[in-house]
Amino acid sequence: AIQMTQSPSSLSASVGDRVTIICRASQGIRSDLGWYQQKPGKAPKLLIYAVSTLQSGVPSRFSGSGSGTDFTLTISSLQPEDFATYYCLQDYDYPWTFGQGTRVEIK
Amino acid sequence: QVQLQESGPGLVKPSETLSLTCTVSGGSISSSYWSWIRQPPGKGLEWIGYIYYSGSTNYNPSLKSRLTISIDTSKNQLSLKLTSVTAADTAVYYCGRAAGINYYDSGNYYRADYFDYWGQGTLVTVSS
Repeated sequence: AIQMTQSPSSLSASVGDRVTIICRASQGIRSDLGWYQQKPGKAPKLLIYAVSTLQSGVPSRFSGSGSGTDFTLTISSLQPEDFATYYCLQDYDYPWTFGQGTRVEIK
Repeated sequence: QVQLQESGPGLVKPSETLSLTCTVSGGSISSSYWSWIRQPPGKGLEWIGYIYYSGSTNYNPSLKSRLTISIDTSKNQLSLKLTSVTAADTAVYYCGRAAGINYYDSGNYYRADYFDYWGQGTLVTVSS
């Protein structure tokens, strides 16, 4: 199975900060990568698919980039509602696999 | 607006079978891939498997020997059955719709899938 490794596992940031989360795949996955946001007690929410396509209704401060094995999720200006856990997901090969998550906490 | 709702017992005894249903409303189940995903308490997400409306399936090898996912298009429902459960199967179970988009790369077209709709999740605890 393809392993997805996120870094960091957690980070502390302030409102207004620029935040970058990295997801690295154990092999090339083309553009078959998405990002999800999860808040406590809630289902994950799709933010970005196919590396960089913003899901409808998601604020433009979220962006994704990368190719091959290395991908990033960037929040350009962190807002109070962005404090959550973020997961990447590869759908290049079965079984689809998630990263272990990055928890974004208030500094 | 597509909505998904999981239902089923919240407590299952070890060695028994975990059975869940996901009811889809606001759209037809006969047009997409549908998946189950789970999340043990305090841990990350694990893809369990998917089913297409035609009935074709793909399962996570880690669960394949114990897993059955089925679909009932007349009821707009999909179901999950996991046999011989242990405490390690305690988790919140989500159903999700897998949409897809085609993209062009290096001379070929490919499909990127993503979960655009999720149920609220249901906690299943395995305990005697």
